Amino acid sequence: SAVISQKPSRDICQRGTSLTIQCQVDSQVTMMFWYRQQPGQSLTLIATANQGSEATYESGFVIDKFPISRPNLTFSTLTVSNMSPEDSSIYLCSVEDPGTREDPDTQYFGPGTRLTVL
Amino acid sequence: TQLLEQSPQFLSIQEGENLTVYCNSSSVFSSLQWYRQEPGEGPVLLVTVVTGGEVKKLKRLTFQFGDARKDSSLHITAAQPGDTGLYLCAGRQGAQKLVFGQGTRLTINP
Repeated sequence: SAVISQKPSRDICQRGTSLTIQCQVDSQVTMMFWYRQQPGQSLTLIATANQGSEATYESGFVIDKFPISRPNLTFSTLTVSNMSPEDSSIYLCSVEDPGTREDPDTQYFGPGTRLTVL
Repeated sequence: TQLLEQSPQFLSIQEGENLTVYCNSSSVFSSLQWYRQEPGEGPVLLVTVVTGGEVKKLKRLTFQFGDARKDSSLHITAAQPGDTGLYLCAGRQGAQKLVFGQGTRLTINP
């Protein structure tokens, strides 16, 4: 399975500022995703990070607020722009492993970045 | 409306008891995954089920995929405090993105 690291692991930020979260994978992967998990909630997909092209955003998420980069097959960044307290969440990077016939298309998650906006 | 309904959403039981968590949908999934997430960490994959009626065991955990591939269950035997966490089911429909249930927050009391 892929090993995923994220930086920073947590941060406390002021309203109006921006934070860039990094995601590094130990192997080349085609599909990388960014999720948000609000306190006590399940996971919501923000966008799919596409290598060499613009990210694909889900309904309710826009590029101006959550710009994403994917310069290569092992790395991606998510920026949370012009933050407000409502952006306080855990942000998770995920990759898809084509897997085997028995365990196809499995997704693995990074440890998450816990963001608190004051 | 939630595509995948998990129940119960909260469960607190004593060590040694058995429990079952359910993940239900009116839609068919090509595969379904179960994750456990502990505080301060990302979800960790427990199992993927792909065949209707499939049963997979992971020590004291038994996972079942419904015959029609619309539902799944997770049964824990003789629960231990180390089983405490948020359990998430997630389903995939063909090449579509993964869809998550609301999660079941499980607490095992010593």
